[in-house]
Amino acid sequence: QKEVEQNSGPLSVPEGAIASLNCTYSDRGSQSFFWYRQYSGKSPELIMSIYSNGDKEDGRFTAQLNKASQYVSLLIRDSQPSDSATYLCAVSSNSGYALNFGKGTSLLVTP
Amino acid sequence: SAVISQKPSRDICQRGTSLTIQCQVDSQVTMMFWYRQQPGQSLTLIATANQGSEATYESGFVIDKFPISRPNLTFSTLTVSNMSPEDSSIYLCSDNSGLSSETQYFGPGTRLLVL
Repeated sequence: QKEVEQNSGPLSVPEGAIASLNCTYSDRGSQSFFWYRQYSGKSPELIMSIYSNGDKEDGRFTAQLNKASQYVSLLIRDSQPSDSATYLCAVSSNSGYALNFGKGTSLLVTP
Repeated sequence: SAVISQKPSRDICQRGTSLTIQCQVDSQVTMMFWYRQQPGQSLTLIATANQGSEATYESGFVIDKFPISRPNLTFSTLTVSNMSPEDSSIYLCSDNSGLSSETQYFGPGTRLLVL
């Protein structure tokens, strides 16, 4: 069973702070890692992808990957109330193009 | 990324009936997938829809319950057969139209309630 684990939260941060979201995965063969944002009642929206160890930055978002520790994280700088959503970590399957999703972390950014 | 649409956006159905959900992509894509998201849960892959051949189902999902068609590179359907209240869920299709073949984009989803 391929596992992707996330803290369900809610994670509450004040506006302007850094939100840190974490994810661990069990399949050592996974090569591709994704973060999706899902607003209530909406479908998941891709915000970041990362394939190599280290950091990848895109605007206020930074994804971090450590394959040795089987750990991927998402940092959101200068958090805004509009960032309040559930963040889903997804990991590629070693056997193909399917994605395994974590249960998501609920983020609440308070004004 | 390709633009994905789904029909219907929502439906309320009686137990024992079947519903077919359509997924349309505005450009040709290699892979299309069907997921289920039960209330308060994350996404679970039902199957990969293969163009011109039978779908590849994940453990716990069978063709008799969730028959899938993919007649071309832009269209797929998922049927939820002989529905029960446990099938109440959001059904999402996705494609891999991103820069890498593993990158998936999702349609708006179909919200199904079975009474």
